[in-house]
Amino acid sequence: EVQLVESGGGLVTPGVSLRLSCAASGFTFSNYAMNWVRQAPGKGLEWVSSVSSGSHYIYYADSVKGRFTISRDNAKNSLYLQMNSLRAEDTAVYYCARSISGGGTLGDCWGQGTLVTVSS
Amino acid sequence: QSALTQPPSVSGSPGQSVTISCTGTSSDVGSYNRVSWYQQPPGTAPKLMIYEVSNRPSGVPDRFSGSKSGNTASLTISGLRAEDETDYYCSSYTSSSLYVFGTGTRVTVL
Repeated sequence: EVQLVESGGGLVTPGVSLRLSCAASGFTFSNYAMNWVRQAPGKGLEWVSSVSSGSHYIYYADSVKGRFTISRDNAKNSLYLQMNSLRAEDTAVYYCARSISGGGTLGDCWGQGTLVTVSS
Repeated sequence: QSALTQPPSVSGSPGQSVTISCTGTSSDVGSYNRVSWYQQPPGTAPKLMIYEVSNRPSGVPDRFSGSKSGNTASLTISGLRAEDETDYYCSSYTSSSLYVFGTGTRVTVL
């Protein structure tokens, strides 16, 4: 069974850092591009970042560029999101999601999400 | 990159058909056949319902269909059922930021 499990969320104060992890199982992780997508409370989905299967290509939304870093460890079947200089507007449920169709389709498989709350 | 535009809500009676529109630009929906649709019940992760404009993943009922014309993509739910009442989002591959999502649509079954 294909499975993605996020962890690392929590309540933090503005300006601090947090690292999210996503553990993948049930498929050959190294063959797929991966993504982070977030959803603020009561709001819509927002694409955050993507990394190609071999980490050669990395993309960020303008809202997180320069503050967030996506990475992956194919040997550990894991995806990461390092979030620095967190702001209140980063409060959201963060999902990891797999891409298919050569990266053209985001999200044939999603994790359950991890909640990040940024508040003083 | 601005979000794709969807109507906030659509409604229909059981058995009827409803269509959700997703309007973008020539930089996203209009240029790529990489439009996807997701169903998201409250408190759960999104589920892929349509990809590459009109393809259904395994297990998605054929009551769900997708199409595209110019800068606007559409999701049609035929034979509407009570279980279809939830939120739907579109997304598109884009030349600028890689992916962009729609604003979301709540489907109500009357």
